[in-house]
Amino acid sequence: DTEVTQTPKHLVMGMTNKKSLKCEQHMGHRAMYWYKQKAKKPPELMFVYSYEKLSINESVPSRFSPECPNSSLLNLHLHALQPEDSALYLCASSHSLYGYTFGSGTRLTVV
Amino acid sequence: AQSVTQLDSQVPVFEEAPVELRCNYSSSVSVYLFWYVQYPNQGLQLLLKYLSGSTLVKGINGFEAEFNKSQTSFHLRKPSVHISDTAEYFCAVSDLPGTASKLTFGTGTRLQVTL
Repeated sequence: DTEVTQTPKHLVMGMTNKKSLKCEQHMGHRAMYWYKQKAKKPPELMFVYSYEKLSINESVPSRFSPECPNSSLLNLHLHALQPEDSALYLCASSHSLYGYTFGSGTRLTVV
Repeated sequence: AQSVTQLDSQVPVFEEAPVELRCNYSSSVSVYLFWYVQYPNQGLQLLLKYLSGSTLVKGINGFEAEFNKSQTSFHLRKPSVHISDTAEYFCAVSDLPGTASKLTFGTGTRLQVTL
């Protein structure tokens, strides 16, 4: 299995909703990432987990809450988002020999 | 801090013509370089990577890139493009992929292939 799987593929949520994005990989990678990508822009790093511990938080607002329950799973919990948070959210994992593998993303729309 | 500059925001090219997408990097430590392609409404697909070894790297879909340390460049090339190559291409740099390292992207180059 050489994939990173993200669910759901599309999500529409209201500003008062709570939702979660899910990411899964079974390649044995011990570093996992959340990136945010706005239209016509490059991906921007949000969080990095290394060996299931949060290693990097790029000053992301607290309405985004990451979680790494085990070495294969990465979640991003969303609460009280703003319309400007609408974007493509990409999950990735990495290995020193193979580089970074990205999922196909969750397209989030906040209404 | 590491950074990547993609010199061209858009590159128009005719089908079957050669193409080069330019990428220059800045880093004070060892670098690991990547090219990704993004088709509309999709995630990022790895085209090729330079981690060590030969400076000429061959990737998928007929693409290749050359790591040039003296010119701090990692340009992407394809000898003959197809309509299906129309997409956004991102060059990226990191310090050590296996650790919790930051992968930093360039601003992207839109390759537009026409008949």
